[in-house]
Amino acid sequence: DTGVSQNPRHKITKRGQNVTFRCDPISEHNRLYWYRQTLGQGPEFLTYFQNEAQLEKSRLLSDRFSAERPKGSFSTLEIQRTEQGDSAMYLCASSLLWTGEHEKLFFGSGTQLSVL
Amino acid sequence: DAKTTQPPSMDCAEGRAANLPCNHSTISGNEYVYWYRQIHSQGPQYIIHGLKNNETNEMASLIITEDRKSSTLILPHATLRDTAVYYCIAGYSFGNEKLTFGTGTRLTIIP
Repeated sequence: DTGVSQNPRHKITKRGQNVTFRCDPISEHNRLYWYRQTLGQGPEFLTYFQNEAQLEKSRLLSDRFSAERPKGSFSTLEIQRTEQGDSAMYLCASSLLWTGEHEKLFFGSGTQLSVL
Repeated sequence: DAKTTQPPSMDCAEGRAANLPCNHSTISGNEYVYWYRQIHSQGPQYIIHGLKNNETNEMASLIITEDRKSSTLILPHATLRDTAVYYCIAGYSFGNEKLTFGTGTRLTIIP
């Protein structure tokens, strides 16, 4: 078990550019989450997958954001036409959900995005 | 998720018990209390959860008041590695529910 891996750890981009982040969850975890965190705030839920199905997207997630989880393994989060307000830490978490059991989220160390 | 209120920051001497309070006066009858912590430059880490009974695991103890309107996370022998932001969350963490993180308590362990 190597934990949740996120790449890159840091990304600096210019406003208007597209960026893509990758998350590799703990193997066999069936759920994968994306959160966003700004300085001094707790993580905010963006979206989550159960296997390859994207089950929910937050209202925070504008049309410029898209996430995929092909084959229910790794996931990518793409931000198109980045804006300075997109600067944040993007966290990925995975979990193994059993019916009726409490989910424990395992988080990666995040990708820090800076939009100049 | 029910709203929680935590002090923004606390200090604790190394080796002492760290007691982190959380108010969740609007918690509903079947919502749980979860605690996560976030060490600098890392993602949050699950600590413990409970409904109404006190809970203990290898990391911490959770004391929930009888009326369930507040709880306390206890780190029995705090070490410098326990310096982190601690999040108290009232809600559900199974099925299709998602946890809502607040701003947490920044705990600093003093050598």
